[in-house]
Amino acid sequence: SQQGEEDPQALSIQEGENATMNCSYKTSINNLQWYRQNSGRGLVHLILIRSNEREKHSGRLRVTLDTSKKSSSLLITASRAADTASYFCATDPITQGGSEKLVFGKGTKLTVNP
Amino acid sequence: NAGVTQTPKFQVLKTGQSMTLQCAQDMNHNSMYWYRQDPGMGLRLIYYSASEGTTDKGEVPNGYNVSRLNKREFSLRLESAAPSQTSVYFCAITDRHYGYTFGSGTRLTVV
Repeated sequence: SQQGEEDPQALSIQEGENATMNCSYKTSINNLQWYRQNSGRGLVHLILIRSNEREKHSGRLRVTLDTSKKSSSLLITASRAADTASYFCATDPITQGGSEKLVFGKGTKLTVNP
Repeated sequence: NAGVTQTPKFQVLKTGQSMTLQCAQDMNHNSMYWYRQDPGMGLRLIYYSASEGTTDKGEVPNGYNVSRLNKREFSLRLESAAPSQTSVYFCAITDRHYGYTFGSGTRLTVV
């Protein structure tokens, strides 16, 4: 079952604009992660935010986490054509036993037009 | 992707054939995972191994078996392939601090 759901499913913007993707999830989590996948490739880890953190930055990426609303957002500032990819949120639900098992959403397909 | 090697990259099977997907890592991480990715479905966990010698079922284990041969290697076996197993398969590893590192994937078609 999908834990995280990204919104929107697809996003098309012009180079230089900001792109915002949202993720909602259902159960309590240890952390939430964002990944990028270029067409035909494996996923690449972008950023991890823990449940006790509210905001995290990495270069042009900004991630927020609101555990009361069970939601997260990924902001890519000053987008480039090379940012064109699918973006996935993944949650590490709190479970008995403690093994980490990420649950992925279906992704947002971002297209940045030159 | 650096650190995780998957073989083969592509495979076509006939219904009922068997095959083993191989995954090897050089990052000395304890946890290893097998996911499948289908269009519009995101990634779904098939099996995982939290440490050498242990394996557990994920969300969609039916039709698959796994072996954690040693700390480096985690294989996924399809005993009798079915068209529903047509998918892209990803192996991933983690040390639980910095996120997962994924392999480049195996694109499997069952006809």
